[in-house]
Amino acid sequence: DAKTTQPTSMDCAEGRAANLPCNHSTISGNEYVYWYRQIHSQGPQYIIHGLKNNETNEMASLIITEDRKSSTLILPHATLRDTAVYYCIVRVEGTYKYIFGTGTRLKVLA
Amino acid sequence: NAGVMQNPRHLVRRRGQEARLRCSPMKGHSHVYWYRQLPEEGLKFMVYLQKENIIDESGMPKERFSAEFPKEGPSILRIQQVVRGDSAAYFCASSPVRQGGNQPQHFGDGTRLSIL
Repeated sequence: DAKTTQPTSMDCAEGRAANLPCNHSTISGNEYVYWYRQIHSQGPQYIIHGLKNNETNEMASLIITEDRKSSTLILPHATLRDTAVYYCIVRVEGTYKYIFGTGTRLKVLA
Repeated sequence: NAGVMQNPRHLVRRRGQEARLRCSPMKGHSHVYWYRQLPEEGLKFMVYLQKENIIDESGMPKERFSAEFPKEGPSILRIQQVVRGDSAAYFCASSPVRQGGNQPQHFGDGTRLSIL
């Protein structure tokens, strides 16, 4: 079962920042948080991952709370092409297995 | 998508036939993972393989499904005697060699299997 909970859906205006929250209250000390998105029926696209420090790359920023029980993915300037289902994943400890929840369906509005 | 190649993209089979799905991982990746996705659901882990070894098959149905990743060539997910319930999108992912690390998995664009 997924170790993360996310809102089912969110809307964001084009050009604004999209902030996607994720709760992972049972995360253990050495488990990473991974974010992916799935556009239409394509394969999941890797976005970013982190352990405890905030991370930033060309796609997004990841803010992880100090207690690591939650995180937020930030798309700084959302475009229509960012409309997708976003998955927050905590890898099952000791394995390479991803457990996908139902994700957040982000709709970017013109 | 990120260099993982899956084929065919679409596969149609009649009930009772066999389906073979192929996956070539990204260059330099020797870990392969298979997932299945039903409509409006998240991906479900099926199996994790390294070259010539099945590491974790806890998500594989006990019958009719098998997977391999030979020393040479792509990884194959094989479904024998397909039934309508096997209709789904099957995704393959790969990751680099180093074990115990945090390297993310990179996914292909999947094979959409339809059973008539």
